[in-house]
Amino acid sequence: RKEVEQDPGPFNVPEGATVAFNCTYSNSASQSFFWYRQDCRKEPKLLMSVYSSGNEDGRFTAQLNRASQYISLLIRDSKLSDSATYLCVVNNGGSNYKLTFGKGTLLTVNP
Amino acid sequence: NAGVTQTPKFQVLKTGQSMTLQCAQDMNHNSMYWYRQDPGMGLRLIYYSASEGTTDKGEVPNGYNVSRLNKREFSLRLESAAPSQTSVYFCASNRPAGLAVFEQYFGPGTRLTVT
Repeated sequence: RKEVEQDPGPFNVPEGATVAFNCTYSNSASQSFFWYRQDCRKEPKLLMSVYSSGNEDGRFTAQLNRASQYISLLIRDSKLSDSATYLCVVNNGGSNYKLTFGKGTLLTVNP
Repeated sequence: NAGVTQTPKFQVLKTGQSMTLQCAQDMNHNSMYWYRQDPGMGLRLIYYSASEGTTDKGEVPNGYNVSRLNKREFSLRLESAAPSQTSVYFCASNRPAGLAVFEQYFGPGTRLTVT
């Protein structure tokens, strides 16, 4: 089982749609969880951290289920500017802050 | 405040040539990282440096060496480039924001082609 697995995508949705991304991780000792966004031919940037209680930032909601080792990202009211690759990222603990990245899911929001 | 900078942005090498990718950060971060990103493979960690004076191997270190020159700079060297090293290389640095919550800042990347 790969360390971090994501929906392979790609996702094509119309503006205004709600879209959900799923991710599973294999290391039950993983401590921190994140969603990064990567625009075409650009560097990844942190979108949001994911907390056990779930967290929301505007149109974006992230959920973590430690028992199922599952992370999700929900985007409501999609905008054209949301078109990007979304990377699920996990930190397996320790003081070296190493991150493990999923392969990413490409989202295209169409007018 | 430039964040994380990388040079060069693009490079074409012939098989067997060597080169050094440069990375610098001006955010006073302790930890720095080198990743490669290939289509269908996601980002993979090559080497990292948890603090000045230390370096450790990541997931795919073969064919690479690194130097943490000082707190700001972390370079990646390809001694004898191979076509399998054609990739996009990202440098990153780490801002710890709490016990386990932190953010990695990435440079703009170096697009390397080895022919």
